[in-house]
Amino acid sequence: AQTVTQSQPEMSVQEAETVTLSCTYDTSESNYYLFWYKQPPSRQMILVIRQEAYKQQNATENRFSVNFQKAAKSFSLKISDSQLGDTAMYFCASPIGSQGNLIFGKGTKLSVKP
Amino acid sequence: DAGITQSPRYKITETGRQVTLMCHQTWSHSYMFWYRQDLGHGLRLIYYSAAADITDKGEVPDGYVVSRSKTENFPLTLESATRSQTSVYFCASSAEGYEQYFGPGTRLTVT
Repeated sequence: AQTVTQSQPEMSVQEAETVTLSCTYDTSESNYYLFWYKQPPSRQMILVIRQEAYKQQNATENRFSVNFQKAAKSFSLKISDSQLGDTAMYFCASPIGSQGNLIFGKGTKLSVKP
Repeated sequence: DAGITQSPRYKITETGRQVTLMCHQTWSHSYMFWYRQDLGHGLRLIYYSAAADITDKGEVPDGYVVSRSKTENFPLTLESATRSQTSVYFCASSAEGYEQYFGPGTRLTVT
């Protein structure tokens, strides 16, 4: 069965520092996208960043970047200059099947401390 | 308003009652999804739809029914609610298998 594993249930970081959240996945698709979603206490699921698997260049969105290692099926999220508003659950997602379905990891709870 | 909306946002119902959760999107996305989110399980797919009148089961479909007569609507019905269906339900949509955009969620409590 295809899986997405987030090995860090909880993490904390000091404001302004950098933190990396880990994710490994297992997909049989040959061309796919990977995603990181953020869920703050408001419960809204927000897309943070996406990576196209056929692109070697790692995706970047402002303070958020990924380290994508296709052969290792690893897709980590780096948050630079952490802010209090980054406090949230973070979910990694990879595709399953060809119908646009995603499988989600169980999440990493990130706390940013002042 | 543009985007994806869910109603109601909160619902309390009794065991055995039928409940329908509504989902509406204004992007004309082909794909729509229903998830439930429970502590320790993350997000689990209940049903999905690739287009109007096309639906398929996800990981946890038992006890749920969906329909999609119009592209923009994807209601989820619990035919006879059970306590194990107490959860937060999210609807999402996407265009041709790209990133999914989520509604605000419905917190359902079955007493």
